[in-house]
Amino acid sequence: DTAVSQTPKYLVTQMGNDKSIKCEQNLGHDTMYWYKQDSKKFLKIMFSYNNKELIINETVPNRFSPKSPDKAHLNLHINSLELGDSAVYFCASSQNRGFQPQHFGDGTRLSIL
Amino acid sequence: TQLLEQSPQFLSIQEGENLTVYCNSSSVFSSLQWYRQEPGEGPVLLVTVVTGGEVKKLKRLTFQFGDARKDSSLHITAAQPGDTGLYLCAGYSRSNTGKLIFGQGTTLQVKP
Repeated sequence: DTAVSQTPKYLVTQMGNDKSIKCEQNLGHDTMYWYKQDSKKFLKIMFSYNNKELIINETVPNRFSPKSPDKAHLNLHINSLELGDSAVYFCASSQNRGFQPQHFGDGTRLSIL
Repeated sequence: TQLLEQSPQFLSIQEGENLTVYCNSSSVFSSLQWYRQEPGEGPVLLVTVVTGGEVKKLKRLTFQFGDARKDSSLHITAAQPGDTGLYLCAGYSRSNTGKLIFGQGTTLQVKP
């Protein structure tokens, strides 16, 4: 029933590890996004895919690699985690890449020890 | 670079009071959206304003888009504890890539 679901909800791990976050949407949308929300609640776009094609790639360290196996899924893999990666990561989707409402998942809280 | 500045950042008021949150930019946006986020959840869209000068109402919430499409406001009448949350304004960048630019957010606490 959930429109945009991401797993896991919480991720606690050591510095230097590699981890992945998964996202799935059942809305039939063409476009999916990854956002990072910092401790001050500021939401910033990281990546966007439209029909499995990367269309937005903000200045994000290349330790972050998104992958879209199909248009309903967008995963985020992070290598060599650093303390500064601690944040809440949100997945979102929209019907297309035009000026559409975006539907967000409930976030993954990543804590680096 | 298109930026959105939201004010105030924090607001703590008593139930029944009115409040206004502002979202300003030096850039023109084709549309502005307002989202509300509760703890442990993702932002949820409240409204989209598209036309300069447009006013939209959602029960006790009134949203306005500036005539020049550079600013927007959210006014809540007779706030209730259930209005507590983080309010975010967001606008799409000029490039048609779906890049949504968010303001810093306004954390609203309504005390009973």
